[in-house]
Amino acid sequence: QQQVRQSPQSLTVWEGETAILNCSYEDSTFDYFPWYWQFPRESPALLIAIRPVSNKKEDGRFTIFFNKREKKLSLHITDSQPGDSATYFCAASSNTGNYKYVFGAGTRLKVIA
Amino acid sequence: EAAVTQSPRNKVAVTGGKVTLSCNQTNNHNNMYWYRQDTGHGLRLIHYSYGAGSTEKGDIPDGYKASRPSQENFSLILELATPSQTSVYFCASGDNGGQDTQYFGPGTRLLVL
Repeated sequence: QQQVRQSPQSLTVWEGETAILNCSYEDSTFDYFPWYWQFPRESPALLIAIRPVSNKKEDGRFTIFFNKREKKLSLHITDSQPGDSATYFCAASSNTGNYKYVFGAGTRLKVIA
Repeated sequence: EAAVTQSPRNKVAVTGGKVTLSCNQTNNHNNMYWYRQDTGHGLRLIHYSYGAGSTEKGDIPDGYKASRPSQENFSLILELATPSQTSVYFCASGDNGGQDTQYFGPGTRLLVL
């Protein structure tokens, strides 16, 4: 059972456009949602994260929008750059203390100059 | 500088052979994790640990064992390797009960013939 779902599987945008990556989850105990990015042949690294006390988290061109009622969140990348081309993973962690993330399958983003 | 290292970086094994993947972290984190990454599946958790001497089953533990002899070291053991275990394996460390950043190692590419 996949508890964290991401869409689309792949996304291509032009340089300067806004890329929107979607994530949904099922477990209502999830209360920490990090996004990781991974460049080809590299390891994943934290990009930005949100906790449900807020419905928006910004870090430069990257913004997470969070809808607790619908159990959905999205990552918006404004003014997309070719250097943003990577695979983006949404993850979730529960407050029940089991110390682990559940990762989505990822969205592969390509930004064309 | 926070660091998670893995060895070996590349491994070719034969079916039925024993494989040990090693991970070392200098972050002094309590929690350590082993994931495998396959196309279309994202990152799937195999085993994790709360601290020295502890190991816990993740989401896909079958065919794998883990060992955490010290705070710094966490090993993944494939007693009888199978071709289906061909994958890229990532080790990570983290803290705060899994509700904080996980730092990933560079990965190990395992090919089981």
